[in-house]
Amino acid sequence: EIVMTQSPATLSVSPGERATLSCRASQSVSSKLAWYQQKPGQAPRLLIYGASTRATGIPARFIGSGSGTEFTLTISSLQSEDFAVYYCQQYNSWPRTFGQGTKVEIK
Amino acid sequence: QVQLVQSGSELKKPGASVKVSCKASGYTFTTYAMNWLRQAPGQGLEWMGWINTNTGNPTYAQGFTGRFVFSLDTSVSTAYLQISSLKTEDTAVYYCARPIGGGAHWFDPWGQGTLVTVSS
Repeated sequence: EIVMTQSPATLSVSPGERATLSCRASQSVSSKLAWYQQKPGQAPRLLIYGASTRATGIPARFIGSGSGTEFTLTISSLQSEDFAVYYCQQYNSWPRTFGQGTKVEIK
Repeated sequence: QVQLVQSGSELKKPGASVKVSCKASGYTFTTYAMNWLRQAPGQGLEWMGWINTNTGNPTYAQGFTGRFVFSLDTSVSTAYLQISSLKTEDTAVYYCARPIGGGAHWFDPWGQGTLVTVSS
């Protein structure tokens, strides 16, 4: 099983600032990585797939990068609606696995 | 629009069973498989497995064999998750999610989630 490790666990950022979230895979997942956003009481929402392709309707301030074992989600200028928990997920092999999440909170 | 609508919250006693439904709309149900995921209180996401909506063949992740059963009613575009012999540690939000991306599997959309609470 591929273990996904996200860092940091919590990121405190002021509105308008940049947030950089990391996701590391225990072995290569190529570019088969997705990012999701989850707000309290809501289901996860797909942001990024293929490591860097934004899903339909996702603002350009969400930028995914990386390949192999190291991935980054950058939110270029945090808006109030971006404060949430973010998960990465690999789909290169079975079972599909998720990171433990990074909570982006208001500084 | 593509939508997955799940059944409502459940409160069950240990040892009981529960069946969660996930009704799909906005697309041809049998074109995509259906996945199930779990999120324990305050925890991350755990993939439980998936079911082929053409054949009805389920695949379960390790840790979700035996008491967990995926099923379908294609006539009403609905997938089901049944959990038997419930334990307190089964308390969680259960999500259905549609996998997309050809042979790849990222998930979009997700159902709104069904909270299953197991308590005596």
